[in-house]
Amino acid sequence: DAEITQSPRHKITETGRQVTLACHQTWNHNNMFWYRQDLGHGLRLIHYSYGVQDTNKGEVSDGYSVSRSNTEDLPLTLESAASSQTSVYFCASSRGAGATYEQYFGPGTRLTVT
Amino acid sequence: EDQVTQSPEALRLQEGESSSLNCSYTVSGLRGLFWYRQDPGKGPEFLFTLYSAGEEKEKERLKATLTKKESFLHITAPKPEDSATYLCAVQALKAAGNKLTFGGGTRVLVKP
Repeated sequence: DAEITQSPRHKITETGRQVTLACHQTWNHNNMFWYRQDLGHGLRLIHYSYGVQDTNKGEVSDGYSVSRSNTEDLPLTLESAASSQTSVYFCASSRGAGATYEQYFGPGTRLTVT
Repeated sequence: EDQVTQSPEALRLQEGESSSLNCSYTVSGLRGLFWYRQDPGKGPEFLFTLYSAGEEKEKERLKATLTKKESFLHITAPKPEDSATYLCAVQALKAAGNKLTFGGGTRVLVKP
């Protein structure tokens, strides 16, 4: 069965370190998304991609970057981790643009920055 | 700016006690409204997509309805396994790709 996976599931890191969260989907979806979920703010979009070599900023992109070198993966990098980036991160994917397609979410990565 | 507000924030129900969750939205032209279920420690799970006012969708004990300003998720005769956080999201006509704007969610607890 097709799925979307994230790794690691839990991560503790120190302020200032670079961290990369992995996202892999086997749906063969063109669109991929990264969200963060915090109490009081719900799910907020960080970055998204429509396809290979395409990346776009979401509403809370400062301090984060993504790259899309193939259809299956969209890693999220925190350039210099800050305590404000402690959160639960979700990756999602959907079929191509131009229609209303639901997004399928991964299980999440809980990141703690100390 | 697209906005989604869900109420109540939390809901405690007895098993079998039907209730409704509200999702109010403002969007510059609605392409679709989505309902998701999220269990603790897991990612959101897709439930429904609604496209136009008057539309209804059903799945087991859940029924979603849509008007021009809000959507309701009705839970009929809930069971403890219906306990979860229910998320509402909208996609605007002008939204790039499949960008979604989410509400804060309603936490539902169904007691046996």
